[in-house]
Amino acid sequence: DAKTTQPNSMESNEEEPVHLPCNHSTISGTDYIHWYRQLPSQGPEYVIHGLTSNVNNRMASLAIAEDRKSSTLILHRATLRDAAVYYCILRDVGWAAGNKLTFGGGTRVLVKP
Amino acid sequence: DAMVIQNPRYQVTQFGKPVTLSCSQTLNHNVMYWYQQKSSQAPKLLFHYYDKDFNNEADTPDNFQSRRPNTSFCFLDIRSPGLGDAAMYLCATSGRERARGTDTQYFGPGTRLTVL
Repeated sequence: DAKTTQPNSMESNEEEPVHLPCNHSTISGTDYIHWYRQLPSQGPEYVIHGLTSNVNNRMASLAIAEDRKSSTLILHRATLRDAAVYYCILRDVGWAAGNKLTFGGGTRVLVKP
Repeated sequence: DAMVIQNPRYQVTQFGKPVTLSCSQTLNHNVMYWYQQKSSQAPKLLFHYYDKDFNNEADTPDNFQSRRPNTSFCFLDIRSPGLGDAAMYLCATSGRERARGTDTQYFGPGTRLTVL
């Protein structure tokens, strides 16, 4: 899996949007961009994924640059429950055995009341 | 709710004493994974089962073994735990019904292992 680069941490105020950047300059044409988050003392949970077009779901939005070398996860209105480590992960479309997740450093998001 | 269950949530063992962690799932997924997460680090895959086929990561120590007696259950055995094996152990599942590259992994809450 190609590597991703994320800031170590970000702070946000409650009820405000949070934009989490991810750089993946070596992304290949067959890599999907996935985001997972890990709340304190819990296992990671899926947030969103995309390939080329921007994506929205109930948790977040994913904005993908036209050249696909970067993407941004957008939490529209941060709540205290959104405080977590957010991981940006690239996954090849090929069905490699088990299709494993290779976690990078992630971004620790702190939400202030 | 369908889910991934890990027992126990906290496990204390002694140096060198074998320990087994368990994972069960009600999702009927064919792939099950074990990740190790040390303090302040990202999860790292140890191995996974694709149906009954066991797939070990190249850098997983021999001290770690796994068993999957049926679709629902998977076990992580640590034969001789060392102090460096203290970590959170995460079980995850995924199903093959999704398109390639887009499958979602569902994680359990983890078992925190302490080695004394």
